[in-house]
Amino acid sequence: NAGVTQTPKFQVLKTGQSMTLQCAQDMNHNSMYWYRQDPGMGLRLIYYSASEGTTDKGEVPNGYNVSRLNKREFSLRLESAAPSQTSVYFCASSVRLVDEQFFGPGTRLTVL
Amino acid sequence: AQSVTQLGSHVSVSEGALVLLRCNYSSSVPPYLFWYVQYPNQGLQLLLKYTTGATLVKGINGFEAEFKKSETSFHLTKPSAHMSDAAEYFCAVISFRGGTSYGKLTFGQGTILTVHP
Repeated sequence: NAGVTQTPKFQVLKTGQSMTLQCAQDMNHNSMYWYRQDPGMGLRLIYYSASEGTTDKGEVPNGYNVSRLNKREFSLRLESAAPSQTSVYFCASSVRLVDEQFFGPGTRLTVL
Repeated sequence: AQSVTQLGSHVSVSEGALVLLRCNYSSSVPPYLFWYVQYPNQGLQLLLKYTTGATLVKGINGFEAEFKKSETSFHLTKPSAHMSDAAEYFCAVISFRGGTSYGKLTFGQGTILTVHP
């Protein structure tokens, strides 16, 4: 099992460009999450999907959109990237919302 | 709202010394509690968790944590530090209200553990 995979690993964007971060899990988990990690701020939840077909905003959703494509895949889209979105992005999944989460390796995004 | 406070953004210990990383939470109802570890340029890995039952929880790599409801704490300990323990550690909580979960992990700010030879 690969667990949680994310693509790409690294990305550099110019302000105003758009991109989609991909996430997939092969553990048959129902719930999936997108976090951003910034120094000294821990991980902050951007969006989550409790189950296939549902998505909800987290703590910092502005500037992002998500799609739960199917049970395995959960993508994060930046429509018009801003320097404030420079961060490391992590995808995670869990069996249910109350269970421990399993994390992907992260995507390091720089917006110039 | 639930919150998690990790006391000390940096902790430094000598190899073989006790490791103590502090975590306090705010919740009117006992939450689910987790400790994660992050090695450089990697994702987070679960060390241990507390949901219900025994309040002393043992995890991987010799770490353990004790849930103390009266102190709203969930401190992480390891009797003897190893060089390979150097990493960033995150405490996290899922809170409940009226039997319903908020359903989302709230993370502390993280504590960077440095281990000296």
